[in-house]
Amino acid sequence: DTGVSQNPRHKITKRGQNVTFRCDPISEHNRLYWYRQTLGQGPEFLTYFQNEAQLEKSRLLSDRFSAERPKGSFSTLEIQRTEQGDSAMYLCASSSGTEKNYNEQFFGPGTRLTVL
Amino acid sequence: AQKVTQAQTEISVVEKEDVTLDCVYETRDTTYYLFWYKQPPSGELVFLIRRNSFDEQNEISGRYSWNFQKSTSSFNFTITASQVVDSAVYFCALGPRGSTLGRLYFGRGTQLTVWP
Repeated sequence: DTGVSQNPRHKITKRGQNVTFRCDPISEHNRLYWYRQTLGQGPEFLTYFQNEAQLEKSRLLSDRFSAERPKGSFSTLEIQRTEQGDSAMYLCASSSGTEKNYNEQFFGPGTRLTVL
Repeated sequence: AQKVTQAQTEISVVEKEDVTLDCVYETRDTTYYLFWYKQPPSGELVFLIRRNSFDEQNEISGRYSWNFQKSTSSFNFTITASQVVDSAVYFCALGPRGSTLGRLYFGRGTQLTVWP
């Protein structure tokens, strides 16, 4: 399978715990994005990497959230001291492209986080 | 401000009916991209189409067609002869060229249900 993969698919945690999600993009894609989707809403942008550089972060990404893409391949999203409001589907997407074009983003299946 | 509005929250049709999903966007960028994604019950977002702001030609792909009208800032999506498998949530998204070519701004989605 050459699509975007995410692990785990589901995560249930207690409030205050830390969680980490992983995203493996399509191998030739240099761009990687994280979005969050809550029930009845469209995906909301969290952050974006071009290769290993994190180029943009949303205001939604509080200081409890951190994302990395250490070698420009897979990425991790960590949430520290989880809160019930963090419960959502966390989506990863990847795309190819340069500064002059804007290719479509391909999404993974998501990680559904439930904070009890 | 960048914004996408999908005013139709839910639409129900009977199989073989045609259905149009509306999308209105706001941006100050002169160059931008518009996208449609499908999210079936399985949850994974599926890319359908990308258009750039310089290309106002309508596009047809099988039973799908898209009507881009810059004058009204709309990018509507029509499914002809709908089928039960078309049942999903459909999202319209805006990718402003003036930003870091990263984030997409999604609408809230339209839930389409096609009844047999």
